Amino acid sequence: NAGVTQTPKFRILKIGQSMTLQCAQDMNHNYMYWYRQDPGMGLKLIYYSVGAGITDKGEVPNGYNVSRSTTEDFPLRLELAAPSQTSVYFCASRPSPGLAGGRETQYFGPGTRLLVL
Amino acid sequence: ILNVEQSPQSLHVQEGDSTNFTCSFPSSNFYALHWYRWETAKSPEALFVMTLNGDEKKKGRISATLNTKEGYSYLYIKGSQPEDSATYLCAFADSSASKIIFGSGTRLSIRP
Repeated sequence: NAGVTQTPKFRILKIGQSMTLQCAQDMNHNYMYWYRQDPGMGLKLIYYSVGAGITDKGEVPNGYNVSRSTTEDFPLRLELAAPSQTSVYFCASRPSPGLAGGRETQYFGPGTRLLVL
Repeated sequence: ILNVEQSPQSLHVQEGDSTNFTCSFPSSNFYALHWYRWETAKSPEALFVMTLNGDEKKKGRISATLNTKEGYSYLYIKGSQPEDSATYLCAFADSSASKIIFGSGTRLSIRP
């Protein structure tokens, strides 16, 4: 199993450009998440999905969009990049609740470092 | 808005000392409380997931307790070693069991 994979590893964007951060998992997990790492703030939830075709907003969804057409993939789209979106983005997945008696842990990808100039 | 708080924000301890830190979370609509260890330039790795009030978990020198009635969890590290240096994150899953919200973390540094 590759686990959770993210591409690209690093990207520089100009203000106003758009891009898609890719996330894929091969563990057949229904639940997937996008977080951003803000200095001194830990991880902030951007969007999450509980299955193909179902997505919902997290704490900081503005400026981002997601889609979930398959169980494996959960891409994150930035439409008009802004300097405030400079961050490290982590994708995570986990099994559906109840499969491990509530103890379903998240598995994180290696992160994508994004710099918006 | 789900509020998950961790304290202290950072901690510097001498090698061999024991230490602990706190995670506070909403005491209602509780599903699970996660602890993660996060080393610089790596991804967070799960330490514990706790679901029941009074749960205690242990992995080597690291242990955690859970009080869902008052909304707090403690993480303990016994006999700190340099390899324990990392940021420790807690995360709260509410009764929807879908959204998982993280605290801001406690950054632990061990002095040799």
